Amino acid sequence: AQSVAQPEDQVNVAEGNPLTVKCTYSVSGNPYLFWYVQYPNRGLQFLLKYITGDNLVKGSYGFEAEFNKSQTSFHLKKPSALVSDSAVYFCAVSLFWMDSSYKLIFGSGTRLLVRP
Amino acid sequence: KAGVTQTPRYLIKTRGQQVTLSCSPISGHRSVSWYQQTPGQGLQFLFEYFSETQRNKGNFPGRFSGRQFSNSRSEMNVSTLELGDSALYLCASSLGQGPGYTFGSGTRLTVV
Repeated sequence: AQSVAQPEDQVNVAEGNPLTVKCTYSVSGNPYLFWYVQYPNRGLQFLLKYITGDNLVKGSYGFEAEFNKSQTSFHLKKPSALVSDSAVYFCAVSLFWMDSSYKLIFGSGTRLLVRP
Repeated sequence: KAGVTQTPRYLIKTRGQQVTLSCSPISGHRSVSWYQQTPGQGLQFLFEYFSETQRNKGNFPGRFSGRQFSNSRSEMNVSTLELGDSALYLCASSLGQGPGYTFGSGTRLTVV
C-alpha cells in the first residue's frame, strides 16, 4: 500500500539552530513529493516539491528538502530556525491515477516548535 | 492573483442535516480536489473534479458528494451529517495536468 510516514509527532529546536523534519515514503514507481505547512486554523501552504532532477530542492522561506531514493526519504531542512517557523508540517506524495489525475497521500504531520 | 476561496469559513450543523461547502479555484485552474482533515484520520482525499467531471474518488461513503460548474467552481455536499463528519474541509486547485496544488484556508464544520 502507498503510504507516507512522519516518524516524529513533534520536533523541538532552539531559534538559530538547524532543523530537520523527517519523512519516508512507500510508493511504487517514481514519486512526486511535497512539503506543506499549516498554521493554526489555516489551510495548507506549499513549501516545495520534488518532481525529478537535482535531489536537493529549495523552497519557500529558506526551507529545502533532500530526496534520497535508496532510503525512500524526503527530509525537510532549514539551516537556521525562526520562532515564526513554529507550525505543523506535512509531507505528501502525489499518486498518478488516470487521465492526468493525481491525488495526494499525506503523512500524519509533525509539529515544529521553535523556542526563542 | 486571487487564491483559492472557500466559503463559509465556519459552520455548525446538527446531526442528520445536510451541508454544502463551496470552493472557488484560482483563475485558470480547471481541477478542484477536496480533502478532509480530522485529528484522528489526518488528511484524506475525498474527490477530484476536472472540467465538471469527477475524475478521482477517495474512500468515503456516498453521503459525501460533489460537483463542479462550468466556471470551475466546486461544491461538496454531505448529507445526513454524523458527529464524525466534524472536520476541516480543504479544497485545492490545480491546472489539472500534473501535480501542483494550491489549497484554500478551509471550512471548519462542526456537527453537534
